[in-house]
Amino acid sequence: DTAVSQTPKYLVTQMGNDKSIKCEQNLGHDTMYWYKQDSKKFLKIMFSYNNKELIINETVPNRFSPKSPDKAHLNLHINSLELGDSAVYFCASSPSGQGNTEAFFGQGTRLTVV
Amino acid sequence: SQKIEQNSEALNIQEGKTATLTCNYTNYSPAYLQWYRQDPGRGPVFLLLIRENEKEKRKERLKVTFDTTLKQSLFHITASQPADSATYLCALGLGGGKLIFGQGTELSVKP
Repeated sequence: DTAVSQTPKYLVTQMGNDKSIKCEQNLGHDTMYWYKQDSKKFLKIMFSYNNKELIINETVPNRFSPKSPDKAHLNLHINSLELGDSAVYFCASSPSGQGNTEAFFGQGTRLTVV
Repeated sequence: SQKIEQNSEALNIQEGKTATLTCNYTNYSPAYLQWYRQDPGRGPVFLLLIRENEKEKRKERLKVTFDTTLKQSLFHITASQPADSATYLCALGLGGGKLIFGQGTELSVKP
């Protein structure tokens, strides 16, 4: 039983394309997140949603648009992909959005833009 | 400016020794600090959480300290084993569930 699952695990695409990454959690958590891990291994928060509502929106280009159809799902759509978007994207969830509980991470989606 | 830094990128120790990893931060006031383990090709896995009013937390061979005056957390693994080899990430817990991660320390435990 995978707690936080993302698809696809690998994504190779050309510059200018539009792509989506899907994320689902079966933990019953209220809060979900998207993080980006760059080549230097820095893990940076992009967005967080609590019960389908956007809570955190870091300085992310508006080509990135999260969508939460229900509290178990948080998808990430990226328009007009650029080379600099290449990274590993992690979805995560936590019971509360207060930072006082652990976050559960998915296995990551390695995005390569060529 | 706000910064979170972990000690040297790589730490090599002998099996059975204690590994000590450092996390320093500036211009943040976290209510919580968390430590995660990340293996290659995998997502981070939660290890320990410590609150600002706690000095020390233990879990089996793991121990974390949190000094809000020094703005530093230390993470110890006692009786280290090769299976402990991984990258360890500290994260500051801020409002709204936001976690700010350090760049990680890669630990290698040699038999």
